[in-house]
Amino acid sequence: AQKVTQAQTEISVVEKEDVTLDCVYETRDTTYYLFWYKQPPSGELVFLIRRNSFDEQNEISGRYSWNFQKSTSSFNFTITASQVVDSAVYFCALSLYNTDKLIFGTGTRLQVFP
Amino acid sequence: NAGVTQTPKFRVLKTGQSMTLLCAQDMNHEYMYWYRQDPGMGLRLIHYSVGEGTTAKGEVPDGYNVSRLKKQNFLLGLESAAPSQTSVYFCASSGGLAGVLGSYNEQFFGPGTRLTVL
Repeated sequence: AQKVTQAQTEISVVEKEDVTLDCVYETRDTTYYLFWYKQPPSGELVFLIRRNSFDEQNEISGRYSWNFQKSTSSFNFTITASQVVDSAVYFCALSLYNTDKLIFGTGTRLQVFP
Repeated sequence: NAGVTQTPKFRVLKTGQSMTLLCAQDMNHEYMYWYRQDPGMGLRLIHYSVGEGTTAKGEVPDGYNVSRLKKQNFLLGLESAAPSQTSVYFCASSGGLAGVLGSYNEQFFGPGTRLTVL
């Protein structure tokens, strides 16, 4: 069975701190895709990143970076120098090849205080 | 482009009433989905469609029906609403599977519908 675990229910930081959101996934398939979505207080879901299982290169986009490690089945998300606007619920998700269905984790609520 | 839109944004129903949620997308996407989001549960797939005229069950399909008569629309119906169906419902669409590793299409989400069943 496939599963995504986000063990951190809620994280609070002060602005400018770095913060890492953990994501651990389970699948026996060798081909799969991993995603992160952001859900700000307004409620919509915003796509952040997609990785396939054959690409373990870390990715950086501005203050955001992602660390994909197949050896530990993890796809962690780091925000550097956090800002109040980063306050949101962040979801990690898994999809298997040829299914196009997303399996979501339960989300991590990040609160960044000024 | 409006992207993915959902109608209505809010609705309150009494137990036993029926209603239909409408999802529309203007991106010519093949695949469409309905999710529900409950506190502490993340998003769970209710039903999905891989093309006009097709539908399939997701993780939590009981109590819901769907139809995809037009490519751009995906309807979610509750025939007899129950309090357990109180939730936020999200529709999403994607271009579907490109069939080439690395060209998987991400899902684009609508703004959500907050449904309360009393």
